[in-house]
Amino acid sequence: AQSVTQLGSHVSVSEGALVLLRCNYSSSVPPYLFWYVQYPNQGLQLLLKYTSAATLVKGINGFEAEFKKSETSFHLTKPSAHMSDAAEYFCAVIHSGYSTLTFGKGTMLLVS
Amino acid sequence: DAGVIQSPRHEVTEMGQEVTLRCKPISGHDYLFWYRQTMMRGLELLIYFNNNVPIDDSGMPEDRFSAKMPNASFSTLKIQPSEPRDSAVYFCASTNSNRGSAFFGQGTRLTVV
Repeated sequence: AQSVTQLGSHVSVSEGALVLLRCNYSSSVPPYLFWYVQYPNQGLQLLLKYTSAATLVKGINGFEAEFKKSETSFHLTKPSAHMSDAAEYFCAVIHSGYSTLTFGKGTMLLVS
Repeated sequence: DAGVIQSPRHEVTEMGQEVTLRCKPISGHDYLFWYRQTMMRGLELLIYFNNNVPIDDSGMPEDRFSAKMPNASFSTLKIQPSEPRDSAVYFCASTNSNRGSAFFGQGTRLTVV
């Protein structure tokens, strides 16, 4: 079964610091991978997606993620955190033969 | 496009009552998904439709839950009878590809007392 694991339910950073949110996936075939962001009382918004093109994917709001097959990882980074980045972030996967997203448990990013 | 539209945004109901949640997907999208979000279980897929046809409803928790999509622009999720453990945020999402990213509505926060 397809799945993703997000390490850390909460991550705290200072404004201006590097943001690193971790995501590992399980798959025997190349997956499509996504990062979504959810602000309080809002729906989920797509940040970026990996669809087997370039392994380094750039998204909105200065975020990027790198697909590493050897590590089965798709970690989300941003060089400098801003207060407005405080939200919950979800990693998600679609595997070949499926049509639905499977989400991780989410990581709450706190910026102080 | 206004995006995926869900109504109501908030619903408070008493245990045993029928609840109907509504969703209007983005025009032209042929996939529609219903998700439920709780603190304990995170985001769970309940059911999804392709071209108005239910494809996978294995995530529907029990027979009290039902979903319909009578046409390409409207879907409902019904809970009858509702129970306190159904309290959650219910999201509708749509996409135009089985490899594409889904667009989510704002959600309906359901509270069953």
